[in-house]
Amino acid sequence: QITLKESGPTLVKPTQTLTLTCTFSGFSLSSSEEAVGWIRQPPGKALEWLALIYWNDVKRYSPSLKSRLSITKDTSENQVGLTMTVMDPVDTATYYCAHTRRISVWGSPRPDWYFDIWGRGILVTVSS
Amino acid sequence: QSALTQPRSVSGSPGQSVTISCTGTGSNVGGYNYVSWYQQHPGTAPKLIIFDVTKRPSGVPDRFSGSKSGNTASLTISGLQAEDEADYYCYSYAGSYTVLFGGGTKLTVL
Repeated sequence: QITLKESGPTLVKPTQTLTLTCTFSGFSLSSSEEAVGWIRQPPGKALEWLALIYWNDVKRYSPSLKSRLSITKDTSENQVGLTMTVMDPVDTATYYCAHTRRISVWGSPRPDWYFDIWGRGILVTVSS
Repeated sequence: QSALTQPRSVSGSPGQSVTISCTGTGSNVGGYNYVSWYQQHPGTAPKLIIFDVTKRPSGVPDRFSGSKSGNTASLTISGLQAEDEADYYCYSYAGSYTVLFGGGTKLTVL
């Protein structure tokens, strides 16, 4: 059974850097095809994909936030981290981490992914 | 990249069918058969209910079905039940190793 749990600060000040951790179980990021992503949701608003990291350390970022994001993994600790710089009140949101796998068809990897198991999320408020 | 366009709300009575649309462009919904749908009840994490346009993960009732025509994907829920009241989000691959969510649709079961 795959589970994920987000942790980190629930309150950050404007201009500060946010660092979140996703601790997971039920799979390993040292196993081929496994991946973890981050998604956020401002209160009352839509979901927004942020970043993704594969077992082989390939990383993908949302183009609109790429300059502010960094995703990392610690395979031995079963953790994935997300760093977002220069936080602003508009970044107030629930941040989710989620599991996915690289999909291959006839041996060729597809470029896409979908998130099949999600953590419960952590609400991060940006305020002075 | 703009979010995919969904109606803000839809409603239906128990037992009826409802369809939620998700309109994108040829660069996302229309360009790939990589559309998914998520269901989100208040205060909970999203749940995958449709992937690859039409496929259902194990455990998702067959009352939920997906389709696509051109740049518009659709989620149909038949035999509406009270527990189906939730927010629904479409999701699509958008090229260049990026993905997009829709703006979300609130389903009310009357």
